[in-house]
Amino acid sequence: GNSVTQMEGPVTLSEEAFLTINCTYTATGYPSLFWYVQYPGEGLQLLLKATKADDKGSNKGFEATYRKETTSFHLEKGSVQVSDSAVYFCALIKAGTALIFGKGTTLSVSS
Amino acid sequence: KAGVTQTPRYLIKTRGQQVTLSCSPISGHRSVSWYQQTPGQGLQFLFEYFSETQRNKGNFPGRFSGRQFSNSRSEMNVSTLELGDSALYLCASSLGQQINYGYTFGSGTRLTVV
Repeated sequence: GNSVTQMEGPVTLSEEAFLTINCTYTATGYPSLFWYVQYPGEGLQLLLKATKADDKGSNKGFEATYRKETTSFHLEKGSVQVSDSAVYFCALIKAGTALIFGKGTTLSVSS
Repeated sequence: KAGVTQTPRYLIKTRGQQVTLSCSPISGHRSVSWYQQTPGQGLQFLFEYFSETQRNKGNFPGRFSGRQFSNSRSEMNVSTLELGDSALYLCASSLGQQINYGYTFGSGTRLTVV
């Protein structure tokens, strides 16, 4: 079946460091891919998405490229801030199915 | 534009009781999905409704049920609560059936079963 695998956390970084959170997926065909972020005590917010191979989603300095050949959608940011501390979820969806999420990666950024 | 509203935010129930959670989607959105979030299992899909019809269902026991009203508001019900039902229940709304519409999530209802 369809699934999403994320790197285990927590990820601890200093402010202005480079961030990479790995995400790989298993799915037939061409799913749409998403990154969601969850701040403490809140629901999920869509961070970025990509709907076809080689698409790059970007938002608030975060980027991820849909790589069909490696079935990956890694999240990157060039310079993290303390305010980026949150839990990040990679997810996929195919027509007729629900969103499938990875387990989430906790990011902690210190000043 | 108002977001997805879930009520109540917090609930404490006793094992064996039943509970009803409510979700009001963004105005104009006709699709509502429910997810359960726990530390151990992560985010798991419960069910999805579109225009008052359940169009997708996750792998949960029959104690979990839902419905959607003509104004797109949705409720989910859990009967005979178990300790393991303690979780954050998230609702998400979407314009319709096209997957690229994307989903907007509410802040969730935190259910604690004691």
